[in-house]
Amino acid sequence: EPEVTQTPSHQVTQMGQEVILRCVPISNHLYFYWYRQILGQKVEFLVSFYNNEISEKSEIFDDQFSVERPDGSNFTLKIRSTKLEDSAMYFCASSESVVANQPQHFGDGTRLSIL
Amino acid sequence: GNSVTQMEGPVTLSEEAFLTINCTYTATGYPSLFWYVQYPGEGLQLLLKATKADDKGSNKGFEATYRKETTSFHLEKGSVQVSDSAVYFCALSDSNYQLIWGAGTKLIIKP
Repeated sequence: EPEVTQTPSHQVTQMGQEVILRCVPISNHLYFYWYRQILGQKVEFLVSFYNNEISEKSEIFDDQFSVERPDGSNFTLKIRSTKLEDSAMYFCASSESVVANQPQHFGDGTRLSIL
Repeated sequence: GNSVTQMEGPVTLSEEAFLTINCTYTATGYPSLFWYVQYPGEGLQLLLKATKADDKGSNKGFEATYRKETTSFHLEKGSVQVSDSAVYFCALSDSNYQLIWGAGTKLIIKP
């Protein structure tokens, strides 16, 4: 069964450094998402992306964050200058369409640790 | 705004016990409802879904019925196994631009 893959599984970065989290969505999916889960807290929506544009973003997704689909397969999340509070599990997801009943399929996540 | 409330965990049961994890929601319109499961060390996997009132989603012995009158989507299983130990998340989507998540309920099944 096709799956969403994320790399790396664990990223350790010094505060203030840039970090790029990578995702390969399911190949025929057109909609892409990033979520994060701070330890012990809810999963939070960050951003959705379609047709090379951001469709929707949350308040969390400020100017420090950006997303890109640099080629036909990868979908990346960049954090420009990381803060301690950016430490979290980051999940990438994709879906075939934006119809509400189409499920989002998730990767295994990248654990980001900011020192 | 839209929100999802789940019962707090952890929920600890013995093998073969009956499971209920409560989930209620607040939403404008007619959202789709989902249960996702996160096994230890793994990502979020879709367990089941329901897209309209009175729909029942089912998978791997788990069931949940979309109850519009009580705005609920409780997860049930008749006989749990040790391998069901995981964190279960209730979520809703009204547009699929984003999922709104409950806090998650940790389920521990003892042999």
